[in-house]
Amino acid sequence: SQQGEEDPQALSIQEGENATMNCSYKTSINNLQWYRQNSGRGLVHLILIRSNEREKHSGRLRVTLDTSKKSSSLLITASRAADTASYFCATDGDRGSTLGRLYFGRGTQLTVWP
Amino acid sequence: DGGITQSPKYLFRKEGQNVTLSCEQNLNHDAMYWYRQDPGQGLRLIYYSQIVNDFQKGDIAEGYSVSREKKESFPLTVTSAQKNPTAFYLCASSIRYDRVGNQPQHFGDGTRLSIL
Repeated sequence: SQQGEEDPQALSIQEGENATMNCSYKTSINNLQWYRQNSGRGLVHLILIRSNEREKHSGRLRVTLDTSKKSSSLLITASRAADTASYFCATDGDRGSTLGRLYFGRGTQLTVWP
Repeated sequence: DGGITQSPKYLFRKEGQNVTLSCEQNLNHDAMYWYRQDPGQGLRLIYYSQIVNDFQKGDIAEGYSVSREKKESFPLTVTSAQKNPTAFYLCASSIRYDRVGNQPQHFGDGTRLSIL
């Protein structure tokens, strides 16, 4: 399976703290994406990092990618209660048979306490 | 506003009944996808379509069927052959993949299907 796997499965922190989630995957990729899902809603795309990039920022989000270790991390700085959600990583495949689809992990449930 | 709309939000199925979940997008995206999400689980791909009149099976296509007659629409039918259909179903769309890989997907807010 090419599915990404997030770690930890659940993370509970106080407002103002930083939250770090990790993602590992199994095969080579063209890019890796992070999504957020609020309870009972659809997923929202957060950030895409290409295989030739090592780090990317978007507001309070910082994503790193280490293709040699087949891993990525998502850092949310100065977290807020509104950041409470599930976070998923998704990878594509670099082979013809898998083009056009993403492989999602099981997600990290982040809870930020006021 | 551009977006992707799933309906209904809640759906109940009787034993032996087929039900169809609607997914419409006005983002002018070529690609559309159907996922199933079970509690505490990630997303599992049911079917996807990169272009009108063409679609591919995902990882769990058994018991499901789709059609892609229009660019904007990608309905999913949950047939009576799907023995455990209770789940949260998500539809997504995206620009078609290019040489740098797959593009971000835009999701609807899902349909929750339950068995009566």
